[in-house]
Amino acid sequence: DAKTTQPTSMDCAEGRAANLPCNHSTISGNEYVYWYRQIHSQGPQYIIHGLKNNETNEMASLIITEDRKSSTLILPHATLRDTAVYYCIVSALGSSNTGKLIFGQGTTLQVKP
Amino acid sequence: DADVTQTPRNRITKTGKRIMLECSQTKGHDRMYWYRQDPGLGLRLIYYSFDVKDINKGEISDGYSVSRQAQAKFSLSLESAIPNQTALYFCATSDSAGPSGNTIYFGEGSWLTVV
Repeated sequence: DAKTTQPTSMDCAEGRAANLPCNHSTISGNEYVYWYRQIHSQGPQYIIHGLKNNETNEMASLIITEDRKSSTLILPHATLRDTAVYYCIVSALGSSNTGKLIFGQGTTLQVKP
Repeated sequence: DADVTQTPRNRITKTGKRIMLECSQTKGHDRMYWYRQDPGLGLRLIYYSFDVKDINKGEISDGYSVSRQAQAKFSLSLESAIPNQTALYFCATSDSAGPSGNTIYFGEGSWLTVV
């Protein structure tokens, strides 16, 4: 699975959009980009995933560059409860997948009042 | 109610004791996993099961065993606990046939301390 690079930490004002970048320059054609977050030692929570098209759900939007070498997770209106560690992961689908998600260090997002 | 339930949530045990962590899920998923998390090391995969008759070792299976009692239940055992198995343990599930493919759903975690 391709490796990802994320900033160690970011701050965001409450009510503003939080834009979390991720670089995955070695991503393969069959690998998806997944975003999870973990709030203070709780179980990691799935946010969103995509292959090459931009995706949006009730939690966030995912913008993937045309060359797929980077992506941005957007939380449109950050709240204090969005303070968490955000993990960007690339992984292939298929029967050979073992759930071996490589979480890395992630980005610690601090939402401030 | 949580879709992936782990018990116990917290446990302190002594070195050499056998301890079992249990996991049950109501999501109807076929795949289940056990991870551990240590500070600064992210999540590491211990064991995974793609169905009731399929059990596979992950990255760090030594010192652990598992049992898939039913599609909804997957337990992790430490046969003889040692202090470096002190960690936060997560059970997780995924649906191989679902549209989300590789999306993994985690339980709330079980804190295990071996003294």
